Formats: sequence, structure tokens, C-alpha cells
Amino acid sequence: KNQVEQSPQSLIILEGKNCTLQCNYTVSPFSNLRWYKQDTGRGPVSLTIMTFSENTKSNGRYTATLDADTKQSSLHITASQLSDSASYICVVSAGGSGNTPLVFGKGTRLSVIA
Amino acid sequence: DTEVTQTPKHLVMGMTNKKSLKCEQHMGHRAMYWYKQKAKKPPELMFVYSYEKLSINESVPSRFSPECPNSSLLNLHLHALQPEDSALYLCASSQDLGQGSYEQYFGPGTRLTVT
Repeated sequence: KNQVEQSPQSLIILEGKNCTLQCNYTVSPFSNLRWYKQDTGRGPVSLTIMTFSENTKSNGRYTATLDADTKQSSLHITASQLSDSASYICVVSAGGSGNTPLVFGKGTRLSVIA
Repeated sequence: DTEVTQTPKHLVMGMTNKKSLKCEQHMGHRAMYWYKQKAKKPPELMFVYSYEKLSINESVPSRFSPECPNSSLLNLHLHALQPEDSALYLCASSQDLGQGSYEQYFGPGTRLTVT
């Protein structure tokens, strides 16, 4: 069964600190992995999208890594800001037929406090 | 323009009402999606349109009726909803179908409350 597991479920950090969110998946065949940021009551916003051949990808203070062998990804946030408080969702898409739905993780709820 | 817009932002409706949610994109995307998201849960796919034709219906109850009048617009018609249908309804679009290959851009969502 295609699944995406994220940890931790929630995280509280001080402003300015770094943090790392984890994503493990069992989606097969693998096409790509995305990280989305979702503010409460808003739509998800894409941070990164990584294919099989990509190990790391950065978007400002966000750096995603992908290990396709172990089927793990991480999202590292550097020098956190209060505006980083949101849910971070790992989404994996399967290869094969074009109609395969995306597999969403349950997200990590990040709270950055002053 | 990489924006997907949704109206209204908030909607409160009774169980006997008929209402519609609207979604619009001007990126030339040919695939559009409706998702339902309950609090603290990931989005759940409801419908997928490709080239204005319904491609996927994830066994959604008939009280939800999607419509794609043209390549830029996607509607979700609501009738005789239940309180448990209260959720954030998200619209998304992508360049083409093949959800695994193309980036999906999400709208801000419509917060629906059924009383």
C-alpha cells in the first residue's frame, strides 16, 4: 500500500533556530516527492519538488534532501522565522499511469515562537 | 500569473441550500482538481478534470456535482449537504494530467460550514 509517513507530528522551536522534518514513503513506483507549506485555512504552497535523481534541493531557507534507496526525505529549515509557523506536508507521486493520485503525508505542524 | 483563485473564501449553508464553489486559473493548465480537507488531515482528492472532461471521480457522493465550463474555470455545485461535509475545499491545477509528473498549484481554498 502506498503510504507517506511524516515525523514529528508537531514541533515547537524558537525563532532563529534550525529544524529538520522527516518523511518516509512506501510509494512505488516512485516519480517525485514534493514538500508543501500550508498555513492554517489556506491552500498548500509548493516548496520543492524532487525527482529520483535529485539528492538535494534548496529554496531560500528551505533545503530538501531525498534518499531514493532508503525512501526517505527531509526538509531542513534554517534560521526559522515566525512566519514559518505552518503545516509542512510531504507528497509523493507514483510513476506509471498518468492518473495515479498523489499520496499525501499527514503533515508536521511547526510552531515558531519568539 | 501562477495563481489559482477560489470564491467565496468562506461559505455557510444550510442542509437544504444549493450553492456553488468557483475556481479559476489563467496559467493555461489543462488539468484541474477538487480536494476536500478536514482539520489536521491531508487533502483528499475528490475530482479531476482533464481538458474539460471529468477524468477521476473518487466515489464522491452525488450531493457534490463538479462542472468545468471551460479550461480556466472549475465549479463545484453543492446540494443537500450534511454537517460532516464541513471542510476546506481546495482547487488545484496542473499543466496536464499525469499527477505524478506535473506541479500542482493550489488555490487558497473555500472554508465551508454546513449547519
